[in-house]
Amino acid sequence: DVKVTQSSRYLVKRTGEKVFLECVQDMDHENMFWYRQDPGLGLRLIYFSYDVKMKEKGDIPEGYSVSREKKERFSLILESASTNQTSMYLCASSPSPLGSYNEQFFGPGTRLTVL
Amino acid sequence: AQSVTQPDIHITVSEGASLELRCNYSYGATPYLFWYVQSPGQGLQLLLKYFSGDTLVQGIKGFEAEFKRSQSSFNLRKPSVHWSDAAEYFCAVGPGTLSGGSYIPTFGRGTSLIVHP
Repeated sequence: DVKVTQSSRYLVKRTGEKVFLECVQDMDHENMFWYRQDPGLGLRLIYFSYDVKMKEKGDIPEGYSVSREKKERFSLILESASTNQTSMYLCASSPSPLGSYNEQFFGPGTRLTVL
Repeated sequence: AQSVTQPDIHITVSEGASLELRCNYSYGATPYLFWYVQSPGQGLQLLLKYFSGDTLVQGIKGFEAEFKRSQSSFNLRKPSVHWSDAAEYFCAVGPGTLSGGSYIPTFGRGTSLIVHP
């Protein structure tokens, strides 16, 4: 079974703090994704990566950056957290190629609260 | 660009009743279509997917969905709902070709299913 794990289920941070959200997958998938989930807005793609050190912006990259130094690990970074980044963050992975019928496998999510 | 519409934000059904969740998509070529379920406090799990062949697709947990090209729809159905089916359901559409554009599936905004005992 594919397993996608996220470092924290719940996180509380203060405005202006630098925040790291970590995601690890154990199935050697090439593609990894970070989504933000808000009520009524569904899933919005922040960034995705199709290979180590490769990244592409999604629909809402402002205020976020990512890092993929190893194939199994994809980190989301909030350089200076703001209250409007309070949300549920979901990590996902999928095997290549992008654009195929391969589904995405999701982690349990990190609920981030910025005070 | 592809898009997905889930017209119902909330659906309430009684336990044992049948269920149909609607999904309409917009895509220029043959789509890949997915239904995911998100139980409270969990990530998304794939219920079923369609990419070719038989337009009636069977999934896990007793769910099925039917691809209707003429109606641009991919509705999810279950003949008898259980209390444990209460969750958020997401429809997603993926590109059918690799020619240009984004290769990332587009998700609908979700439908919240409430099950009454």
